[in-house]
Amino acid sequence: QVHLVDSGGGLVKPGGSLRLSCVASGFIFSDYYMSWIRQAPGKGLEWVSCISSGSSNTYYADSVKGRFSISRDNAKNSLYLQMNSLRAEDTAVYYCARVNQWPDYFNSWGQGTLVTVSS
Amino acid sequence: QSALTQPPSASGSPGQSVTISCTGTSSDIGGYNYVSWYQQHPGKAPKLLIYEVSKRPSGVPDRFSGSKSVNTASLTVSGLQAEDEADYYCSSYAGSNDFVFGTGTKVTVL
Repeated sequence: QVHLVDSGGGLVKPGGSLRLSCVASGFIFSDYYMSWIRQAPGKGLEWVSCISSGSSNTYYADSVKGRFSISRDNAKNSLYLQMNSLRAEDTAVYYCARVNQWPDYFNSWGQGTLVTVSS
Repeated sequence: QSALTQPPSASGSPGQSVTISCTGTSSDIGGYNYVSWYQQHPGKAPKLLIYEVSKRPSGVPDRFSGSKSVNTASLTVSGLQAEDEADYYCSSYAGSNDFVFGTGTKVTVL
């Protein structure tokens, strides 16, 4: 059974940094593209970033390009999101999600981790 | 990339059907068959309901169906049940390695 566990969220000041993690189990992690998707409080879903199975390709939404960096460690079945120069508008629950086949759908999601950017 | 447009709310009585629209452009919905739908209950992670416009993953009841016409996708929930009360989001590949989600629709079972 596919299981994704997100962690690393918390309260950070504007301009600060945070690193999110997602640990995967129940499938061959290295076979799949992985993505981060976020949801601001009371708002809709927003795709943030995606990384290919072997890390050779990374993609970002314009809203985070140049500030966020996605990476993965297939030996540890782990996905990461390094978030720098954080802004109030980055406040959201961040979900990691498995991409069935790029650029198709997100067929498994983590439980989410809350990032709050506030002074 | 702008969010896809969904109605804020929809409702129906148990046993009835409700259809949710998702309007995009020729650059997203109209350009690809990578349209998917997700159900989200309060405080929970989204769950995949429909992929590639009209396909259902195993375990999703056949009460849920999807379709697409030009730049608009639709999700129909037939035989509404109390547990269908949730938020629903559409999503589409938007080209150039970009994805876009819909604005979300809250479905209420009366």
